[in-house]
Amino acid sequence: DAMVIQNPRYQVTQFGKPVTLSCSQTLNHNVMYWYQQKSSQAPKLLFHYYDKDFNNEADTPDNFQSRRPNTSFCFLDIRSPGLGDAAMYLCATSRGLAGGPGEQYFGPGTRLTVT
Amino acid sequence: DAKTTQPTSMDCAEGRAANLPCNHSTISGNEYVYWYRQIHSQGPQYIIHGLKNNETNEMASLIITEDRKSSTLILPHATLRDTAVYYCIVRVADRAGSYQLTFGKGTKLSVIP
Repeated sequence: DAMVIQNPRYQVTQFGKPVTLSCSQTLNHNVMYWYQQKSSQAPKLLFHYYDKDFNNEADTPDNFQSRRPNTSFCFLDIRSPGLGDAAMYLCATSRGLAGGPGEQYFGPGTRLTVT
Repeated sequence: DAKTTQPTSMDCAEGRAANLPCNHSTISGNEYVYWYRQIHSQGPQYIIHGLKNNETNEMASLIITEDRKSSTLILPHATLRDTAVYYCIVRVADRAGSYQLTFGKGTKLSVIP
């Protein structure tokens, strides 16, 4: 089945130690998104790619970076994780067609713990 | 994108219809109403969307009032697996360069056996 895959599902990192989360998709969608969801809060968009074009949200900290080497893969890099970065990180995709419905398809998420 | 207001929580008996309301009184003419849900510890799941007309798919029905200031998501026969947080989101569909979903607090639906 076509889907959005996130690895790993659970990630533990140390304070200040760089960490990379990965997302892959078999839907061949143009747009890929990264959301952060802290405990008991709604998901919050960090940034998204339309093809190779990167779009950062204004309030996303510089500590968060992203790479999209090809259509299928997208990575979230946290350069120096702090305790406040512990959260569920959600990857999503959408077709990105002009005038299209634009529904997004989410992966299962990676739960990041910072010790 | 227009702001939405939803009740914090609702209960529904298993097998009965679950009716989840959403107010979006500042919605613009080109904004769609989307519904997503998030089951505990999973990623959000798209349910349905609409512009003016009522919509139905295999998961749910969406009823939008004539003035478009409110809508109701209907799960016709709720099951325990429908227990989740339901998000009502209003946004322009795929305007160039802007695709983000802005999630509000949502409604926590509990389906009771």
